[in-house]
Amino acid sequence: QVQLQESGPGLVKPPGTLSLTCVVSGGSINSDNWWTWVRQPPGMGLEWIGEIYHTGSTSYNPSLKSRVTISVDKSRNRISLNLSSVTAADTAVYYCVRREFRDRGGRGYWGQGTLVTVSS
Amino acid sequence: DIVMTQSPDSLAVSLGERATINCKSSQSVLYSSNNKNYLAWYQQRPGQPPKLLIYWASARESGVPDRFSGSGSGTDFTLTISSLQAEDVAVYYCQQYYSTPYTFGQGTKLEIK
Repeated sequence: QVQLQESGPGLVKPPGTLSLTCVVSGGSINSDNWWTWVRQPPGMGLEWIGEIYHTGSTSYNPSLKSRVTISVDKSRNRISLNLSSVTAADTAVYYCVRREFRDRGGRGYWGQGTLVTVSS
Repeated sequence: DIVMTQSPDSLAVSLGERATINCKSSQSVLYSSNNKNYLAWYQQRPGQPPKLLIYWASARESGVPDRFSGSGSGTDFTLTISSLQAEDVAVYYCQQYYSTPYTFGQGTKLEIK
């Protein structure tokens, strides 16, 4: 049973950088999955941030691309999210998601999420 | 970007009755090579992460009750709950994974009447 655990600072000051980690347990990050970040502002809907494959191949949401970096650490079986120049609009619950290849279903399995508040 | 539009925004249904949620994509999410629609449905209960219900538009995830079903193809999709139970109170989202960014609908809040 693959599990995902997000962690990181709960409070970030603008215009700093938000840095989160997602540890993968019960499975290898080298498996045939995409590792995705999705966020959800309080009381609002879901926004796809981007994803990474274990080879390092990435895809980002154009709306965030200039500020986002997603990376993979195979030795620690984890992925990371960095979001720079944050504002209050980046306040959200950030989720790590394991997504299957689309031709195998494309199913997404979510971590519990971590709330990040951007405030001075 | 593919825009996903759900209707209605909120819905109140009596226990045991049918609930229907619609999702429309701004372009087709049908992948012609394998005739699969790259469309998923998620359920999000308060304070919880989204949970997968349906993938490929109509394939039910293992362990999901069979009162949940998905249908549709191309640009128009439906999630149906055949007999509403109290535990089905949640917000439901559709998501396309045909092309990045993999966009979500705005969500439909389902309540008990």
